[in-house]
Amino acid sequence: SQWGEENLQALSIQEGEDVTMNCSYKTYTTVVHWYRQDSGRGPALIILIRSNEREKRSGRLRATLDTSSQSSSLSITAAQCEDTAVYFCATDEEGGRALIFGTGTTVSVSP
Amino acid sequence: NSKVIQTPRYLVKGQGQKAKMRCIPEKGHPVVFWYQQNKNNEFKFLINFQNQEVLQQIDMTEKRFSAECPSNSPCSLEIQSSEAGDSALYLCASSLVANYAEQFFGPGTRLTVL
Repeated sequence: SQWGEENLQALSIQEGEDVTMNCSYKTYTTVVHWYRQDSGRGPALIILIRSNEREKRSGRLRATLDTSSQSSSLSITAAQCEDTAVYFCATDEEGGRALIFGTGTTVSVSP
Repeated sequence: NSKVIQTPRYLVKGQGQKAKMRCIPEKGHPVVFWYQQNKNNEFKFLINFQNQEVLQQIDMTEKRFSAECPSNSPCSLEIQSSEAGDSALYLCASSLVANYAEQFFGPGTRLTVL
């Protein structure tokens, strides 16, 4: 997970498996952003989930948001090798102008 | 895919040297952000602009960092006197609006200070 108790920063799985990564945040936010960063590239937004949404899906990706526990999760269903990347959650700082990133979860998918 | 352009992709400087990097935001995006990402994947927000005006910035107490977004020119981030601790990936992002918006990131400038 990211922030809070940093327990899991790297996950290694095989193609076809499902994977879930968690993130907790410390201050109230209206939006949680999930980014992926491939080696040598900048972060790219993959899902944005707002405080009035409990779940959001995009293809094989599913994000959840629990504002009461200030936590969010990102799941990848049937992971593929191209899902190998570092995944970050981010929230908006007070005022919503800058992003506060978690420390990321490295996901490695092998054939 | 993001169309934010950052140059150069790699920058190597000696300690005490100036380091300057540039960013062209996506067309039509008036808001630009600069972040520093260290080798531990920790992000640090540095500064953001709306058009040419600074919206907010961290307390650059070292005063070695300066940034601008002039009209009709690339935005830039400059480190006046580089230190080894400045070695990082410097990311530029742009967005349509300043608040609670998706930010589109460039590939970054990898600065190494020897």
